[in-house]
Amino acid sequence: AQKVTQAQTEISVVEKEDVTLDCVYETRDTTYYLFWYKQPPSGELVFLIRRNSFDEQNEISGRYSWNFQKSTSSFNFTITASQVVDSAVYFCALNTAVKVFGPGTRLSVLP
Amino acid sequence: KAGVTQTPRYLIKTRGQQVTLSCSPISGHRSVSWYQQTPGQGLQFLFEYFSETQRNKGNFPGRFSGRQFSNSRSEMNVSTLELGDSALYLCASTKGLFSDEQYFGPGTRLTVT
Repeated sequence: AQKVTQAQTEISVVEKEDVTLDCVYETRDTTYYLFWYKQPPSGELVFLIRRNSFDEQNEISGRYSWNFQKSTSSFNFTITASQVVDSAVYFCALNTAVKVFGPGTRLSVLP
Repeated sequence: KAGVTQTPRYLIKTRGQQVTLSCSPISGHRSVSWYQQTPGQGLQFLFEYFSETQRNKGNFPGRFSGRQFSNSRSEMNVSTLELGDSALYLCASTKGLFSDEQYFGPGTRLTVT
């Protein structure tokens, strides 16, 4: 069975702090895709990044970076120098034949 | 390019009634997935349609059903509504199947009284 765990329910940081959101997944499939989505207070989920199971390269996009490690089944997300606009719920998701979302991590960035 | 649209945005229904929600995917996208989002259960996958065929189904009772039309628009129906069906119902479209990122609509907020 597919499962995604995001152990951090809520995180609060002060602006400019770095923060890492954890994601651990479970699947027996050898081909799968991992995603991160952001749901701001306005409500609409927005796609951030996709990784397939054969590509363990880490990625950096501006203040965002992602660390994919198959050995630990983790796909962690780091925001550097956080800003108030980063406040949102972040979801990690796993796609195989079915699509599974983690429970989300609510990030609050305080000014 | 227009995003995913969902209608209606808000709905209030009475227990026992049925409801139909509509989703128009991004032009060119052939896959539509439906999710139920609640504070307690998070985002739960309902079903996915691709080229008018249901490809996958989540763990929901048969009261939840859906369909997809030839223009990729999709509807989901919930019959015999229960109080626990109150939720935000999200629709997401993708170009293909599971390898692609999903683009979400704003959702339909269903309240069952």
